[in-house]
Amino acid sequence: NAGVTQTPKFQVLKTGQSMTLQCAQDMNHEYMSWYRQDPGMGLRLIHYSVGAGITDQGEVPNGYNVSRSTTEDFPLRLLSAAPSQTSVYFCASSYSKGSSTEAFFGQGTRLTVV
Amino acid sequence: AQSVTQPDIHITVSEGASLELRCNYSYGATPYLFWYVQSPGQGLQLLLKYFSGDTLVQGIKGFEAEFKRSQSSFNLRKPSVHWSDAAEYFCAVATWGDTDKLIFGTGTRLQVFP
Repeated sequence: NAGVTQTPKFQVLKTGQSMTLQCAQDMNHEYMSWYRQDPGMGLRLIHYSVGAGITDQGEVPNGYNVSRSTTEDFPLRLLSAAPSQTSVYFCASSYSKGSSTEAFFGQGTRLTVV
Repeated sequence: AQSVTQPDIHITVSEGASLELRCNYSYGATPYLFWYVQSPGQGLQLLLKYFSGDTLVQGIKGFEAEFKRSQSSFNLRKPSVHWSDAAEYFCAVATWGDTDKLIFGTGTRLQVFP
């Protein structure tokens, strides 16, 4: 019963490096999303996907790319990391069903860009 | 645009005392409202949610919240706090037809003294 799995848990990057944060869910959820959490700012939506092949931007999409080739996976790519992207990143999935909607969150990836 | 305000950044209570965490939202129609809890180093767990109907909502771990349309509020309460309730609490709002896109408040950190 894995739920939402994020890897890695911790990562340090140098400015300009690229990397992919992995997110996988085993609940067959249609909807997946990425948030970043910064002190005093709560969680802000980066990108989301309503199903395989469909993605859209959230509140803070700049500097990040996503794709959704399968229902299970929703990776987040940083093409050229910047110190401003130092944050904790959370992936979430949900199965929108009216009042049954509930988002399930991964454990988070703590990213530091130096 | 929707927004969520959690006016208390940090709250300290004694174990056994009652608790109320404040949440105000801004949205033109009836929102969907959520409270999540985040323990240190963990992801977010749903405590409770309001979609419609009874304005007093019961959640897990003995928490409840009351939706007050006239005050645009959705305050979280617990009659007797336990040391294990120490965590960060987030209020979130979603809109009809877009229930998977959550807009979070900035969070309230709860500290519990024995």
